[in-house]
Amino acid sequence: TQLLEQSPQFLSIQEGENLTVYCNSSSVFSSLQWYRQEPGEGPVLLVTVVTGGEVKKLKRLTFQFGDARKDSSLHITAAQPGDTGLYLCAGLPQGRQGAQKLVFGQGTRLTINP
Amino acid sequence: DAGITQSPRHKVTETGTPVTLRCHQTENHRYMYWYRQDPGHGLRLIHYSYGVKDTDKGEVSDGYSVSRSKTEDFLLTLESATSSQTSVYFCAISEAGGVNSPLHFGNGTRLTVT
Repeated sequence: TQLLEQSPQFLSIQEGENLTVYCNSSSVFSSLQWYRQEPGEGPVLLVTVVTGGEVKKLKRLTFQFGDARKDSSLHITAAQPGDTGLYLCAGLPQGRQGAQKLVFGQGTRLTINP
Repeated sequence: DAGITQSPRHKVTETGTPVTLRCHQTENHRYMYWYRQDPGHGLRLIHYSYGVKDTDKGEVSDGYSVSRSKTEDFLLTLESATSSQTSVYFCAISEAGGVNSPLHFGNGTRLTVT
């Protein structure tokens, strides 16, 4: 079973601070996705990275896929209370065709305090 | 938002009873998935479907069965519920397989087995 280790699992910081969430594995993934989940709702896709070394920006959020496609990071600049939520990374194992049989990390519960 | 409806949203049942959860989509997407979400484990794939009457197992399929008799409906059945099946269950859909077809999640069913 391929695993994705996400860290930290919990993070509470003040508004305006920067933070980074990590997603690591010993396995190679075809792609890596980041989701955000609000209480009582399902996860919502933020971004998909496909190429090793790829960097994508979504406003104050920067996502990076490792060169070897085994790890990824999410960096938030100047965090705001609206960024509060559960962040999940999910990888599509290399070689799997067809259905999106994603492997999920445990999640990072982020709290931004005003 | 993708048209995904999960029912019921909440259910409490006793050990040993059968339970069926329903996922209904209005997007006409080919792929449908059932995940469970537990603290410390992220989301884990139970079963998925790649077409009407075409289903396959995920990583935690023991104790669960599924059926898909119509494109729009994907049912998850716990034949004899156990306390270890207490969880939040999410249905997801994707238009196709592969990295360019993201998952869209429903809002979940919270199941408690007493």
